[in-house]
Amino acid sequence: DARVTQTPRHKVTEMGQEVTMRCQPILGHNTVFWYRQTMMQGLELLAYFRNRAPLDDSGMPKDRFSAEMPDATLATLKIQPSEPRDSAVYFCASGPQREGTDTQYFGPGTRLTVL
Amino acid sequence: GENVEQHPSTLSVQEGDSAVIKCTYSDSASNYFPWYKQELGKRPQLIIDIRSNVGEKKDQRIAVTLNKTAKHFSLHITETQPEDSAVYFCAATGPGTRALTFGNEKLTFGTGTRLTIIP
Repeated sequence: DARVTQTPRHKVTEMGQEVTMRCQPILGHNTVFWYRQTMMQGLELLAYFRNRAPLDDSGMPKDRFSAEMPDATLATLKIQPSEPRDSAVYFCASGPQREGTDTQYFGPGTRLTVL
Repeated sequence: GENVEQHPSTLSVQEGDSAVIKCTYSDSASNYFPWYKQELGKRPQLIIDIRSNVGEKKDQRIAVTLNKTAKHFSLHITETQPEDSAVYFCAATGPGTRALTFGNEKLTFGTGTRLTIIP
């Protein structure tokens, strides 16, 4: 049963530090999404990629956040410098690109706490 | 962009009774509407979805209905059980780039409904 994996599962850091979160999409999936979940804002899309190219990153604060796909098996989300308001659970999701197929499969999330 | 509203935010139902959660969307071009279930501390998991060319879909105790004219869709859970307790999210496809590509566009999520089944 293929699953999206994310590392680390938990991260506690101090304000101003760089944070890197990693995601391994399901093999063969060419669309990768990054979501952020907070109590106040719910599930928000930060960015998504297709065939490693960014399609939309309008939900991401550009001054401190960056997302990349160095290769088809790895997506990264970086925050530099981190701030307490970035504390949230960050989910990666992947899906295949086939007409009539829209299912997104979520990873377990990275719970980030910025002190 | 797409806006999805979800109601109610919390719902308590006696075990065995039915639960209904409703969502409305704003973009008439949206054509895919999934429902996700998220248990405490876990990932969201797809439980059922519906496309705009279908009015209703059922999977055992779970059903989803879609009214394209009114731009709303609903999740129905019958014969509720304690394991149905979770947060449920509806979602809809955003405008995306469907003119150039197809499949797996970004989703806009509702704010979630915390469902509690009372034994």
